[in-house]
Amino acid sequence: AQSVTQPDIHITVSEGASLELRCNYSYGATPYLFWYVQSPGQGLQLLLKYFSGDTLVQGIKGFEAEFKRSQSSFNLRKPSVHWSDAAEYFCAVGEPGGSQGNLIFGKGTKLSVKP
Amino acid sequence: DTAVSQTPKYLVTQMGNDKSIKCEQNLGHDTMYWYKQDSKKFLKIMFSYNNKELIINETVPNRFSPKSPDKAHLNLHINSLELGDSAVYFCASSQGGGSADTQYFGPGTRLTVL
Repeated sequence: AQSVTQPDIHITVSEGASLELRCNYSYGATPYLFWYVQSPGQGLQLLLKYFSGDTLVQGIKGFEAEFKRSQSSFNLRKPSVHWSDAAEYFCAVGEPGGSQGNLIFGKGTKLSVKP
Repeated sequence: DTAVSQTPKYLVTQMGNDKSIKCEQNLGHDTMYWYKQDSKKFLKIMFSYNNKELIINETVPNRFSPKSPDKAHLNLHINSLELGDSAVYFCASSQGGGSADTQYFGPGTRLTVL
């Protein structure tokens, strides 16, 4: 069965430090891959997505993610974290070419930012 | 203007009651969804509607029923509420119903069943 694993429940980084949030997936083929962010009390917002092609994907707010087929991973990175990046981050997968928008989400990683 | 809106934002009710959560999107999208986020932040899809047709229905109790009066609205009705229904419910929409279509989420409705 398809699944998404985010190994880190909670990460704390200092403002200005670099960030990497991990995401691993279990899927028969290469799925569509997504990263969403949920700020406190808000809905989810799409940061970036990967379907095919260049394995390094740029997103909004200075985030990027790299797809590594050999590791079944799609880790999210940011070179310099801002205090406003404190939020919950969700990795999700979708069926490639699927006609149904049935996204499977990981359990999320909470990011705290120290001043 | 809010793209995807939900009402109410908070809902506190007793076990056994029937309640509804409303969702509206002004993006002109064809597909709308309902997700449930439990206390551990685990997010799982419940339903989606495309052109008034239900196209996904996960293993959700039949106490939950989506109602779509038109393409811009997908309301969630819950009968005989149980303690385990306490969660945050998110509505979302996308232009198409495929997995490649970006989903836009509402702010969520926190349901507490006492």
